[in-house]
Amino acid sequence: DAGVTQSPTHLIKTRGQHVTLRCSPISGHKSVSWYQQVLGQGPQFIFQYYEKEERGRGNFPDRFSARQFPNYSSELNVNALLLGDSALYLCASSLVSRATGELFFGEGSRLTVL
Amino acid sequence: QQQVKQSPQSLIVQKGGIPIINCAYENTAFDYFPWYQQFPGKGPALLIAIRPDVSEKKEGRFTISFNKSAKQFSLHIMDSQPGDSATYFCAASRNYGGATNKLIFGTGTLLAVQP
Repeated sequence: DAGVTQSPTHLIKTRGQHVTLRCSPISGHKSVSWYQQVLGQGPQFIFQYYEKEERGRGNFPDRFSARQFPNYSSELNVNALLLGDSALYLCASSLVSRATGELFFGEGSRLTVL
Repeated sequence: QQQVKQSPQSLIVQKGGIPIINCAYENTAFDYFPWYQQFPGKGPALLIAIRPDVSEKKEGRFTISFNKSAKQFSLHIMDSQPGDSATYFCAASRNYGGATNKLIFGTGTLLAVQP
């Protein structure tokens, strides 16, 4: 069975540009969450979507947005990129909506902002 | 209140040793405490998780000890192997009500198990 898939795996952008990251959850999982992992730190929660509705938002600026599609895949968009946005962006899916269900992470999208 | 403090930052043990990683939290509303293992170039993977109504949970060579009064929990890896070399993250979450989940992660512990 396919796990959580993310694309692209690596990308390089310059300051001020826009980026779209994509995530396909495990089949049957309706909840998708996005986390930012800066080098040497633990993942930080950005968004959670469940059944195409936003269920949680972390402490990130409005430059960050996301959405979930009818097939439960998801996109994370970041506008006006800053150097500090350089990080590994992780998508996680779960069968149930609450964190007490196991989160399955993808391998991430490594974003470098120059 | 929302932080989870993890120590040590890095740890080196010999094969067969028992590394111990500690975490502390402040928010008494947290009700779920998972540990994740992350290898280089991979996403975190759930190892083991505990709820505050039990003091210990074992799964294979991995054990979580939980001290509710001290607001601390720890991961023990019995008979550690070089293949256990990875970064370990503790995390915590609370019941926000409704269909919401959000994990608060610690800063991670880089474990190296020497042969």
